[in-house]
Amino acid sequence: DAGVIQSPRHEVTEMGQEVTLRCKPISGHDYLFWYRQTMMRGLELLIYFNNNVPIDDSGMPEDRFSAKMPNASFSTLKIQPSEPRDSAVYFCASSLGVVAVEAFFGQGTRLTVV
Amino acid sequence: GQQVMQIPQYQHVQEGEDFTTYCNSSTTLSNIQWYKQRPGGHPVFLIQLVKSGEVKKQKRLTFQFGEAKKNSSLHITATQTTDVGTYFCAGMSSNTGKLIFGQGTTLQVKP
Repeated sequence: DAGVIQSPRHEVTEMGQEVTLRCKPISGHDYLFWYRQTMMRGLELLIYFNNNVPIDDSGMPEDRFSAKMPNASFSTLKIQPSEPRDSAVYFCASSLGVVAVEAFFGQGTRLTVV
Repeated sequence: GQQVMQIPQYQHVQEGEDFTTYCNSSTTLSNIQWYKQRPGGHPVFLIQLVKSGEVKKQKRLTFQFGEAKKNSSLHITATQTTDVGTYFCAGMSSNTGKLIFGQGTTLQVKP
């Protein structure tokens, strides 16, 4: 397996534009997580899915952020409209279960909003 | 809400010196995981501790889980330049089942 695949690796966009980040989890993993990493706030859990269903989205910062998982092999994180403070590295991770199992992280998407 | 605090934030050591990072949770954890992130990379799982007082070793790395399951530590003996990176603890809350990451400790090793 190629691991968790995220695209794009880098994204530069103007303030106000819509941004869509994509993630393909490891095949067979039933949990998918979206994290945001910044120097100030570290690694923050935004939302996670179990069997394509959102379980906890309490970490989603505001209504501008939305995440979907239409099937077991694909998830998106959308920011609309984007703002400069959204600039961060966004990681997707997947795991087999959520308790006492390791999470496998993708390479991340570095988002810069100018 | 649940918080996982990690100290120190940064540590610079001379190659060959030891290094320790500490992790403390505001709530009891069901388990704790440790990850390493190389500069420009992504977090990579190192180990998981589940039992109270558990100690695990991976070569020069020693991981401990506190008796009360609210703290943990990672100790590296005789650091090498390959140990450079940020080490994160991640605690699984017994109540919520969510994995909460500490802020990480960034280790720099001078050759």
